[in-house]
Amino acid sequence: DSGVTQTPKHLITATGQRVTLRCSPRSGDLSVYWYQQSLDQGLQFLIQYYNGEERAKGNILERFSAQQFPDLHSELNLSSLELGDSALYFCASSPWDSASGEQYFGPGTRLTVT
Amino acid sequence: AQSVAQPEDQVNVAEGNPLTVKCTYSVSGNPYLFWYVQYPNRGLQFLLKYITGDNLVKGSYGFEAEFNKSQTSFHLKKPSALVSDSALYFCAVRDPGTASKLTFGTGTRLQVTL
Repeated sequence: DSGVTQTPKHLITATGQRVTLRCSPRSGDLSVYWYQQSLDQGLQFLIQYYNGEERAKGNILERFSAQQFPDLHSELNLSSLELGDSALYFCASSPWDSASGEQYFGPGTRLTVT
Repeated sequence: AQSVAQPEDQVNVAEGNPLTVKCTYSVSGNPYLFWYVQYPNRGLQFLLKYITGDNLVKGSYGFEAEFNKSQTSFHLKKPSALVSDSALYFCAVRDPGTASKLTFGTGTRLQVTL
């Protein structure tokens, strides 16, 4: 158990809908990262927050947004969902914003768009 | 741009035999390299990393990896495989000169049989 929690574990929704995925980092970790894992795209970095501020952006669609709250938990919002958004979404955390530090991953949220 | 290649989709090895999972990378400067393992229905777990220093890095569960700058490789190794090592292994690279973006390879499935 990494100490990173994600809810919900599974989410099934229809195209065009909007969902929110939640992540609680390990106690004391200031950085939160979001990743998307799909069969065709592999594991893709979406976005990073550090102590409430956006720090780095990856291949995140404009329909997706995220934020990190004062208690350091983070939410990933996915809107106007398409079938291709079906994937496993991981949150990871690390103590600092350090390039040399490892990240600790949560168990993921499996999103199915029908 | 940084990239990682894992040339083998799957590696099969008998229990007790040595295993190697291959990884090559491309970055503009000196790389930070990581190995993660993913068990079914679980998030990624950190195994080991190379930042600087000794080219042979030892990690969790008896795994080790050798950094080879001239061949731009960071192969994961274990002297004696266990059935419980069967999982999906990801190599990842980060260029410390860029914002904190971790780039993952496509993953290699390790199958250890009795």
